[in-house]
Amino acid sequence: DVVMTQSPLTLPVTLGQPASISCRSSQSLVHSDGNTYLNWFQQRPGQSPRRLIYKVSNRDSGVPDRFSGSGSGTDFTLKISRVEAEDVGVYYCMQGTHWPWTFGQGIKVEIK
Amino acid sequence: EVQLVESGGGLIQPGGSLRLSCAASGFTFSSHWMHWVRQAPGKGLVWVSRISTDERKLHYADSVKGRFIISRDNAKNTLYLQMNRLTVEDTAVYYCARDHYGANSLASWGQGTLVTVSS
Repeated sequence: DVVMTQSPLTLPVTLGQPASISCRSSQSLVHSDGNTYLNWFQQRPGQSPRRLIYKVSNRDSGVPDRFSGSGSGTDFTLKISRVEAEDVGVYYCMQGTHWPWTFGQGIKVEIK
Repeated sequence: EVQLVESGGGLIQPGGSLRLSCAASGFTFSSHWMHWVRQAPGKGLVWVSRISTDERKLHYADSVKGRFIISRDNAKNTLYLQMNRLTVEDTAVYYCARDHYGANSLASWGQGTLVTVSS
């Protein structure tokens, strides 16, 4: 199975400041069809996961534009341009290129 | 609005069986592959199983293969997960999720149902 490694495990952030979350895969996530199926999910405390980004950089409807995804091959990043209080939670990357789909271990974003 | 509502969780003894349901609304259920994902207490997300629109294609994580059965009733807009020979390692919140065709992704999630396996 493809191993997804996220870092750091906990990310203390300052309100209004940028934040960056890294995700690395043990194999390239470029599919044979040419697409890269890398997703980002947010899980706020006590809630179910919510997708933010799919295919590396496509933002879901209703997701604030302060969230952006980038990367290629095996290295990917989720960036929050200016952290707000509602962004507190755990962020997971997930690859959908290789079967079975696998998640990273999650990064907890907390306010300093 | 897409809604996925899981039910059927609860406390069950090791070796027992449980059937989870996921009632879907707000989209054409019969047109989407569906998934189950679980999350053990305080842990991360783990994909469990998926089913094609016509039930012909079923896939399982190795950890549940041979014990869990995924199914669906398109007439009732409902997804199921039959869980047999449960172990304490199956204790988790179980989420159903809707597939995003063409994006190899999980577009929408339910609120989850907690399964606790304990004697």
